[in-house]
Amino acid sequence: GNSVTQMEGPVTLSEEAFLTINCTYTATGYPSLFWYVQYPGEGLQLLLKATKADDKGSNKGFEATYRKETTSFHLEKGSVQVSDSAVYFCALSLNTGTASKLTFGTGTRLQVTL
Amino acid sequence: EPEVTQTPSHQVTQMGQEVILRCVPISNHLYFYWYRQILGQKVEFLVSFYNNEISEKSEIFDDQFSVERPDGSNFTLKIRSTKLEDSAMYFCASSAESNTEAFFGQGTRLTVV
Repeated sequence: GNSVTQMEGPVTLSEEAFLTINCTYTATGYPSLFWYVQYPGEGLQLLLKATKADDKGSNKGFEATYRKETTSFHLEKGSVQVSDSAVYFCALSLNTGTASKLTFGTGTRLQVTL
Repeated sequence: EPEVTQTPSHQVTQMGQEVILRCVPISNHLYFYWYRQILGQKVEFLVSFYNNEISEKSEIFDDQFSVERPDGSNFTLKIRSTKLEDSAMYFCASSAESNTEAFFGQGTRLTVV
């Protein structure tokens, strides 16, 4: 079946530090890959996505590259801010022709301190 | 900016009672979803809905659960007889096409006591 594995959290960083959150996936077929973010007390928001191999998704300084050879979609940001503190979810979906469900990882909590 | 809205934001119910969670998807979207997140755990797919019928459902979505689109705007999740383990955050989502971005609501926190 399809699955997403994320690095365990929490991740605690100082402001302006470099962030990497690892994500690997297993899928039958060619999935689209996503990073969603959940700020405290809020719902899930799409952060970025990539729909095919070697695509790079980017938004708000975050980036992730779809690596088919390593089945990975690691999230990176060069300089984190306190406002980036949230839970980050890696997810995949497969286009089956009908509604495409998302399969999520367990989420990684990021805490950024001054 | 269009958004998915869910009501209520928090519901407390007694075990064995029926609950209906409500969602208003984005108006021109055609695909609708329910997910749940038990506290501290991953977000899990429950069901997808398209063209007035269920497209796919997970093992979690047993006979206690049902979904309905009673009119042109609402999308509801009914839990017929709640159990303690149904306590979770329930997210509604919608997308314009089957393989495009899903937009999520703020969630309904269901607490079964």
